[in-house]
Amino acid sequence: KAGVTQTPRYLIKTRGQQVTLSCSPISGHRSVSWYQQTPGQGLQFLFEYFSETQRNKGNFPGRFSGRQFSNSRSEMNVSTLELGDSALYLCASSPHGGEGEKLFFGSGTQLSVL
Amino acid sequence: KQEVTQIPAALSVPEGENLVLNCSFTDSAIYNLQWFRQDPGKGLTSLLLIQSSQREQTSGRLNASLDKSSGRSTLYIAASQPGDSATYLCAVGAIKAAGNKLTFGGGTRVLVKP
Repeated sequence: KAGVTQTPRYLIKTRGQQVTLSCSPISGHRSVSWYQQTPGQGLQFLFEYFSETQRNKGNFPGRFSGRQFSNSRSEMNVSTLELGDSALYLCASSPHGGEGEKLFFGSGTQLSVL
Repeated sequence: KQEVTQIPAALSVPEGENLVLNCSFTDSAIYNLQWFRQDPGKGLTSLLLIQSSQREQTSGRLNASLDKSSGRSTLYIAASQPGDSATYLCAVGAIKAAGNKLTFGGGTRVLVKP
């Protein structure tokens, strides 16, 4: 069974641009979560999607958004990029999105904003 | 608000020595606690998942304990090897957090010297 796949692996953007990251969960998994990892703040929860609905959201500005498709694949979008958005963005999936379920992480997308 | 702390932030040991990594959390109302390994620039690999009703989990050279009442978990790695060099993160799934959102500690960076 293939793991969680994130594309692209690396991205370089300039301030003010927007970016879209993609995540394909493990086959059969219906919940997808996104996390941002920076050296200063560590790993922080962005949002979670289940059955195409955003079920939970972290403390990030509205420039960060996401969506989930009927095949459970998810995308996250960051508009009007800022230097501070440079980070490793990690996606995780789980079968049912239930409390206490084990999460399986992808390798991440490393975003650099210049 | 759940807070997760890992001390020390970095640890260096000679090969063959046992590793002891600590994780503490402020709110004992958790579903589970998960230990992850992260290699530089990579995603997270799940090592052990301990449900709130369990006291410990074991996998090969790894053993993790959980004491909910004191808000602590310990990851033991027996007979460390250079390949164990990585950052180890603990994360808790809090009952008060919706869905399967995880709160992460800052991690312990481990170096095993040959």
